[in-house]
Amino acid sequence: QSVLTQPPSVSAAPGQKVTISCSGSSSNIGNNYVSWYQQFPGTAPKLLIYEDNRRPSGIPDRFSGSKSGTSATLGITGLQTGDEADYYCGTWDSSLSAVFGGGTQLTVL
Amino acid sequence: EVQLVESGGGLVQPGGSLRLSCAASGFTFSSYWMGWVRQAPGKGLEWVANVKQDGSEKYYVDSVKGRFTISRDNAKNSLYLQMNSLRADDTAVYYCAREYIGVPWYRVDSWGQGTLVTVSS
Repeated sequence: QSVLTQPPSVSAAPGQKVTISCSGSSSNIGNNYVSWYQQFPGTAPKLLIYEDNRRPSGIPDRFSGSKSGTSATLGITGLQTGDEADYYCGTWDSSLSAVFGGGTQLTVL
Repeated sequence: EVQLVESGGGLVQPGGSLRLSCAASGFTFSSYWMGWVRQAPGKGLEWVANVKQDGSEKYYVDSVKGRFTISRDNAKNSLYLQMNSLRADDTAVYYCAREYIGVPWYRVDSWGQGTLVTVSS
């Protein structure tokens, strides 16, 4: 049972938009920045979004992040088959530990 | 280019010990928090532990407290995870992680390729 709650899976057609939610509490998301990670099978995760909505260099602006209260959202527009991956949210918790969501598998139909 | 290369994984019996290492290059190792994140087969990411730049602060997930010890050697640009009293549910790929921490900030901005630890008799 992960501290941060994500939907197990989402799907959408190529070219469409999808959103992935991440729900936490005041001890984590409510008082700390959220980051998002993309992971392809058999590979290490990669930082996609940090500080709620900032993109590292090289990440296309099709990827966006937002936060409201104790929930965060990752948005992906102009879906491509190459976006099929697992997506994780993460943040720091007041229990002095980092916490991640359970992950969301994105399928581009 | 930032590089994190883990080693030391393998098959170990329940109750046994293993020491993971992470060799860092391409950045000033002593300027960053470093940590370990694991992923059990077919499961999600689980943060395990981290250590401050000078080793003065260390934090652990509850499930490994008292069994795992994180350490670093800034002179060797290396991070370690000593794992004792290993259990079957410690089986996972262990990733070395460069962390950026400073409440309210947290992120892992670089990851190693991972090393597999299998705990089984």
